[in-house]
Amino acid sequence: DAKTTQPPSMDCAEGRAANLPCNHSTISGNEYVYWYRQIHSQGPQYIIHGLKNNETNEMASLIITEDRKSSTLILPHATLRDTAVYYCIVRERNSGNTPLVFGKGTRLSVIA
Amino acid sequence: DAGVIQSPRHEVTEMGQEVTLRCKPISGHDYLFWYRQTMMRGLELLIYFNNNVPIDDSGMPEDRFSAKMPNASFSTLKIQPSEPRDSAVYFCASSPRQVKMNTEAFFGQGTRLTVV
Repeated sequence: DAKTTQPPSMDCAEGRAANLPCNHSTISGNEYVYWYRQIHSQGPQYIIHGLKNNETNEMASLIITEDRKSSTLILPHATLRDTAVYYCIVRERNSGNTPLVFGKGTRLSVIA
Repeated sequence: DAGVIQSPRHEVTEMGQEVTLRCKPISGHDYLFWYRQTMMRGLELLIYFNNNVPIDDSGMPEDRFSAKMPNASFSTLKIQPSEPRDSAVYFCASSPRQVKMNTEAFFGQGTRLTVV
């Protein structure tokens, strides 16, 4: 079962920042937070992951609270192409390549 | 690299027929995963392989489902006999051996299966 809770849907105006929350209150010290997204009719795509520090890459930023019980994925300037379902996943480290367990995710609609 | 390649992209078959889905992982990846996606159940893991060996097949719904990985560059998921409730999008994913903490998985474009 997925160990995360996300809102089912969100809207964001094009050009504005999209902030997608995720609750993972039962996360343990050896678990990472991963974000994937799935654009319509495509396979899921990796976005970013982190353990306890904030992370940034060319796609997004990941903010993890100090107690690690929640996180926020930030798309700084959302475009129409960012419309997708975003999945927040908790995954154990040091466990080889254990499979990703997907929840229901958040359906983000970017509106022109 | 062309990424994870799945074939066919679409498959329509009649109930009772055998269906074979194919996957070519990214070269050099040691792990291969099969997922199924439906509106009702979302993305579910069916089975995964490490170095061509099945590690966990607890997600395979019934004996009608079987998966093989005869070599590092090819895997199949077979359904025999197929039923309408097997209609779904089937995704294959691969990931490299863990040389650093938690490597990412790369997904194919999926096979949309319709059983009528």
